Amino acid sequence: EDQVTQSPEALRLQEGESSSLNCSYTVSGLRGLFWYRQDPGKGPEFLFTLYSAGEEKEKERLKATLTKKESFLHITAPKPEDSATYLCAAPLGSSNTGKLIFGQGTTLQVKP
Amino acid sequence: NAGVTQTPKFQVLKTGQSMTLQCAQDMNHEYMSWYRQDPGMGLRLIHYSVGAGITDQGEVPNGYNVSRSTTEDFPLRLLSAAPSQTSVYFCASRGYRGTEAFFGQGTRLTVV
Repeated sequence: EDQVTQSPEALRLQEGESSSLNCSYTVSGLRGLFWYRQDPGKGPEFLFTLYSAGEEKEKERLKATLTKKESFLHITAPKPEDSATYLCAAPLGSSNTGKLIFGQGTTLQVKP
Repeated sequence: NAGVTQTPKFQVLKTGQSMTLQCAQDMNHEYMSWYRQDPGMGLRLIHYSVGAGITDQGEVPNGYNVSRSTTEDFPLRLLSAAPSQTSVYFCASRGYRGTEAFFGQGTRLTVV
């Protein structure tokens, strides 16, 4: 069964305290792993797509990496404005239908 | 470009009432989807469409109908609202050649 699981469910950090969020997946024929950021009351906002093991992508204080079984979102020296829920997702199905399966999300709180 | 527009933003229904959640995109995307988001459950796929006139069921389709008469619009109909349908609903679109899905701002629905 296709599954995407995120951990931890919630994470509290002090400003400047680096950490990582985990996304493990069991999806047949993975055709990409997506990371999204979601602010309260808003829709998910795209961050990264990773396609192959060993791939890395960076944006400001965020770096996403991918292995054959999991993806990590590394947050370096976070600021309070990085507080949000981070979602990972993978495309479902053998054809390109636009369907996504999501993890439950990690809610990050960064305290000043 | 407005991206993906959802209306209404908030709605309260009584059990048994019907209503339509509207979703429109102006990016000429082929793929459109509806998700619901519940605490601890993440985003779950309700219905999706790969083009005008073509729709299919997702993970949690019961109690919902969709149609796709144009590329731009993908309305979600609740046939007879139930308290279990209290949730936040998100519409998403994605282009055939694109990678990321774009999400609307969501509709918060309460069924009493």
